[in-house]
Amino acid sequence: AQSVTQLGSHVSVSEGALVLLRCNYSSSVPPYLFWYVQYPNQGLQLLLKYTTGATLVKGINGFEAEFKKSETSFHLTKPSAHMSDAAEYFCAVSSYSSASKIIFGSGTRLSIRP
Amino acid sequence: DTGVSQDPRHKITKRGQNVTFRCDPISEHNRLYWYRQTLGQGPEFLTYFQNEAQLEKSRLLSDRFSAERPKGSFSTLEIQRTEQGDSAMYLCASSRGGGLETQYFGPGTRLLVL
Repeated sequence: AQSVTQLGSHVSVSEGALVLLRCNYSSSVPPYLFWYVQYPNQGLQLLLKYTTGATLVKGINGFEAEFKKSETSFHLTKPSAHMSDAAEYFCAVSSYSSASKIIFGSGTRLSIRP
Repeated sequence: DTGVSQDPRHKITKRGQNVTFRCDPISEHNRLYWYRQTLGQGPEFLTYFQNEAQLEKSRLLSDRFSAERPKGSFSTLEIQRTEQGDSAMYLCASSRGGGLETQYFGPGTRLLVL
């Protein structure tokens, strides 16, 4: 079975500060890992995904995440927060054998202070 | 590419009533997915279609739930004899193919069962 744990249901940072959203996964097979963002009244949007290869993955809007197998982590970072980054962020996992079935974490709400 | 659309966006019903939601995927996307998202949680996989064939159903999908995609284009999700526990956001997504093809999400249908 696969699962995802997002540490911190709410994270608040100042505009211009580093954004760090934490995600740990559990998987008995090599995982595929995703970060999605959900803006109010909008659908989920894929930020980035890791399948194989390079462990540092760059996504849209300046976000990136690093796959660390030894730590079973896939934390999301952005060097400098912008007000428009305020949203709900979801980490998710799937696998080769069940690539279409994505298991989501419970989400982290990111707030940006002016 | 007009995006995934869902109708209605909001639905209020009384316990015991039947409700039906519609999802129109991005044209030429042959995979279509249904998820359910309750307050404070991430989306939970319900079922998915490859064209008109329903390939997998979650154990979350009780006998009161039925999904169809009769012509391999739009899909409907029906809930019979609704219960208060069915109150949630129902999300639809589509992808061009299977595997790691990106799933594009619609804005969701918010259901409230009184």
